[in-house]
Amino acid sequence: SAVISQKPSRDICQRGTSLTIQCQVDSQVTMMFWYRQQPGQSLTLIATANQGSEATYESGFVIDKFPISRPNLTFSTLTVSNMSPEDSSIYLCSVMRKGSEAFFGQGTRLTVV
Amino acid sequence: AQTVTQSQPEMSVQEAETVTLSCTYDTSESDYYLFWYKQPPSRQMILVIRQEAYKQQNATENRFSVNFQKAAKSFSLKISDSQLGDAAMYFCAYRSPRNSGNTPLVFGKGTRLSVIA
Repeated sequence: SAVISQKPSRDICQRGTSLTIQCQVDSQVTMMFWYRQQPGQSLTLIATANQGSEATYESGFVIDKFPISRPNLTFSTLTVSNMSPEDSSIYLCSVMRKGSEAFFGQGTRLTVV
Repeated sequence: AQTVTQSQPEMSVQEAETVTLSCTYDTSESDYYLFWYKQPPSRQMILVIRQEAYKQQNATENRFSVNFQKAAKSFSLKISDSQLGDAAMYFCAYRSPRNSGNTPLVFGKGTRLSVIA
């Protein structure tokens, strides 16, 4: 299994500001994944963060809006930039184990006012 | 690209009864993983059950079992003896074995399960 510590667990932010979400994993992993879950919806992949290279973004998500850092094999951050109310969502980080299931952080509930 | 479809946005079940949640998927791969995750109001994603496509035997975990029909690309979840704590969003998910398994999950839209006392 893997233990993922994600913080903050929730935040209320003013529009136009930025929020950085952190994920710390208890063991080294090659890739970390960031998801967005809009209210009442499923999880949508934002990007894949591989240590030592730029993150790979899914269609509809851009680096200027969601910059990601991956400084080492146990840590990653996702920043939600220049926020608007449409960015109000749950954001989750996730890691995989080969041949195993995905493990998730506790999620960050973001409200933009 | 793989897709996962959950056709039941909401389901309800009486406590102690049995309910089945449906999931179909589309893939051209012959080997893959399938999962059911539960997400209670706490937001934490909890693995309920997993199935490897190469295994013909249906996975079971206590009160949870699946009906895996590979040819039909169907992967339903059966919850027996439903309990109030089973109330949650349930997501069906697919994972490709490509890239040594370092591929993200593809999720269905989810089914919200209510349990009636």
